[in-house]
Parts: sequence; structure tokens; C-alpha cells
Amino acid sequence: AQKITQTQPGMFVQEKEAVTLDCTYDTSDQSYGLFWYKQPSSGEMIFLIYQGSYDEQNATEGRYSLNFQKARKSANLVISASQLGDSAMYFCAMRTSNFGNEKLTFGTGTRLTIIP
Amino acid sequence: DVKVTQSSRYLVKRTGEKVFLECVQDMDHENMFWYRQDPGLGLRLIYFSYDVKMKEKGDIPEGYSVSREKKERFSLILESASTNQTSMYLCASSLGSLGGSELGPYNEQFFGPGTRLTVL
Repeated sequence: AQKITQTQPGMFVQEKEAVTLDCTYDTSDQSYGLFWYKQPSSGEMIFLIYQGSYDEQNATEGRYSLNFQKARKSANLVISASQLGDSAMYFCAMRTSNFGNEKLTFGTGTRLTIIP
Repeated sequence: DVKVTQSSRYLVKRTGEKVFLECVQDMDHENMFWYRQDPGLGLRLIYFSYDVKMKEKGDIPEGYSVSREKKERFSLILESASTNQTSMYLCASSLGSLGGSELGPYNEQFFGPGTRLTVL
């Protein structure tokens, strides 16, 4: 069975500092993918970044980067130069395929608060 | 822009009522999903559908059923609502997969705004 673990229920970070949100995963599949989503107080889930298990380079999207360490089964999200608008819930999710039917398994989330 | 809409943002129902939550997407996506979100538990998959009239159980299907009569619409049904079904319900959609056990290019899931359901 697939499992995602996010061990930080909440984090407080000073504005403009970098922040790392932890995510570890467990799967026996060889082919999988890892997503990070942001959920502001409005409730809508916003896709941030994706890393495939066979991707050799760490994914980057603007201020977001994914520190993918396959042997350690970790996929931490790094936000550089944090902004007040980064305050939100952040979810790590793993994508797996069962004969073409894809599913996502989510972690429990980390609530990030940026302090001015 | 992909748009996923849900019929209500807030809903209050009584124990034992039959509840329908509707979800509509406008991007011709094959896959649709229903999740519930609870504090400390993250998002948990209730049901998903990869084609019209097709459905698959997720991780927590008990007490729920679904209906997908048209490609753009996926309904979640609580046959007899109970207080432990008070939660935030999120619908999502994505393009269909290429098939097989190897993952192709990723198809992100697009989410609706959520329905906060309270069962009294």
C-alpha cells in the first residue's frame, strides 16, 4: 500500500527566509510520481510542482523546488524567499497507476505561516 | 482554464437525510474523484471514476455511493447522512491515463472549491 508521511503539522517562518517542508513516502511500485499542492484559506487546492520517479533532475517551478532523494524515499518541498502569500496548508501526494487508473495518495499536510 | 465547480460551498443537513453533492468539470476530463478532508487526516479518496458509468472504490467508500451518467458530471451520494460524515468534500478531475503500469506524462488533478457539509 502507498503511504505519504508529513511529520510537520505546523511551521512558522520569517518572511523572506527559505523553508523546507518534509515529505517521505512508501511504495513498492517502480514507477510513481510526487506532487505538492497548496491550499490557501479559500479552500481550493493549487498544484505547485511534480517529480517523476525516473526524473534525474530535481523539479523546479519558480520559487518552488523539490529535493528528491529516491534512496531515502523523500520528496521535500523547498520554497525560497518566502512571502506572506505563502501562508497555507501544503500537501504532498503520490501518484501511482493500477493498469492505467491513476490515483493520488495524500499526506496529512503542513500548515505554513509566514511571519512579517 | 480548467474549471471544476461544486454545487454548494456550504451545506447543512440532518441525520438520516439523503444528500447529493454535485461536481461538474468543463475540460472533457476522463477521470473524476471525490475526496473528504478532515483536520489531521489530509485528503482521503472516497470514490473515483475513469469513464462514464464506471466507478471504483477509494480508501473510504463506506456510507457513500457515486453516479456518473455524463462525462462532465460526478455526483457523490450520502444515502443516510450521519454526524461522522461532517467534513469538507473536494471534487477533482484529470485527463485519462495512457494505460499500463508505467506512468506517462503527469496529469495533474484539478480541484473544485470544496463543499463544507455539516450533518446535525
